Amino acid sequence: DGGITQSPKYLFRKEGQNVTLSCEQNLNHDAMYWYRQDPGQGLRLIYYSQIVNDFQKGDIAEGYSVSREKKESFPLTVTSAQKNPTAFYLCASNPTGTFYEQYFGPGTRLTVT
Amino acid sequence: AQSVTQPDIHITVSEGASLELRCNYSYGATPYLFWYVQSPGQGLQLLLKYFSGDTLVQGIKGFEAEFKRSQSSFNLRKPSVHWSDAAEYFCAVGAYTGGGNKLTFGTGTQLKVEL
Repeated sequence: DGGITQSPKYLFRKEGQNVTLSCEQNLNHDAMYWYRQDPGQGLRLIYYSQIVNDFQKGDIAEGYSVSREKKESFPLTVTSAQKNPTAFYLCASNPTGTFYEQYFGPGTRLTVT
Repeated sequence: AQSVTQPDIHITVSEGASLELRCNYSYGATPYLFWYVQSPGQGLQLLLKYFSGDTLVQGIKGFEAEFKRSQSSFNLRKPSVHWSDAAEYFCAVGAYTGGGNKLTFGTGTQLKVEL
């Protein structure tokens, strides 16, 4: 079945450590996205990528980094510079060329203590 | 820049009752509009979308939404709610730029269904 996988489902880290969240898709989509979700705030865009080896900052990119070395993969690194990293992180993708709805993965809940 | 307002944070309805979730958007051009649903701890599932054409759109699970340009609204409706509809619902507006499709989400409406 085609879809988006995010691993792990739950992730725990100590403050000051970098952590990388995985996002893989087999939908053959060109565009991929990372969102952060906090209670009562909806989803906020962190980074997005339209094509391999290219990505753009979203609305809340500070303290995060990404790479897009393969079409299928768009990992997100939460660095120690991110002041409030505890959140639910969602990855999404869609085809490009015109406007399409985004397809979402199941999410990763990151807890930093 | 586009924005979305969902004025109701929580809504409680009885099973079998009708439902309307409100969504107002702000966008300079013809918007791309979406409703997504999220169960606890899960990703988002697309319920329906409006790109153009008929302003009343049908979605999955018996949901529908009506685009009203004059009111900048895209309210979600269901004639008879089922207990399994309890979830969080997000309205979103999309903009297509050279840099990609950007979705702006509302803050969500949490739906509780009383049996």
